[in-house]
Amino acid sequence: EVQLVQSGGGLVQPGGALRLSCAGSGFPFGNYWMHWFRQAPGKGLVWLARIYKDGSVLSYVDSVKGRFTISRDNAKNTVFLQMNSLRVEDTAVYFCAREGGDWVNWFDPWGQGTLVTVSS
Amino acid sequence: SYVLTQPPAVSVAPGQTARISCGGDNIGSKSVHWYQQKPGQAPVLVVYDDTDRPSGIPERFSGSNSGDSATLTISRVEAADEADYYCQVWDNSSDLYVFGTGTKVTVL
Repeated sequence: EVQLVQSGGGLVQPGGALRLSCAGSGFPFGNYWMHWFRQAPGKGLVWLARIYKDGSVLSYVDSVKGRFTISRDNAKNTVFLQMNSLRVEDTAVYFCAREGGDWVNWFDPWGQGTLVTVSS
Repeated sequence: SYVLTQPPAVSVAPGQTARISCGGDNIGSKSVHWYQQKPGQAPVLVVYDDTDRPSGIPERFSGSNSGDSATLTISRVEAADEADYYCQVWDNSSDLYVFGTGTKVTVL
């Protein structure tokens, strides 16, 4: 079964840091672009970052650029999101997802999501 | 930046047809993808590239895209179809992945 399992998340104070992990299984992990998204409480989906198969190409939405870093370890079939300088407005459920193929721009499957709460 | 607009809510009786619109400037020139999200769960891809269905998605789910509007159609609606639905495109001018505002489908 193709699946993504997330870990990490939790409660952190403003200005703090957190690292999210997303482990893939059931598919050749190193053959796929991987992405991170978030969904604030009661709100819609927002794309955050992507990373190429070998980690050589990274892209971010402006709101997290310079604060968040996406990375991957293909030997462990895992993609990470390092989140620094967290703000209250970063509170959300964070999802990882696999892009369906090269430049197809759709996502399947998604991880189960992990809640990040930024509060003092 | 590119904006996708969906109706906030659609209500439909069981067995009837639900149609969810996704409006965007010349969206017909882009590939549109649709996701179903149930409360507390991750999104699930139900239609990709305007009209294609992933394996395991019922034929009751179909899509179309033309001009300034794309549509997800759910035929013979069932109670299990009650969820939020999001359209999504890749905007090549900004190199951003854009989601619609989301539509809550209620089965009466």
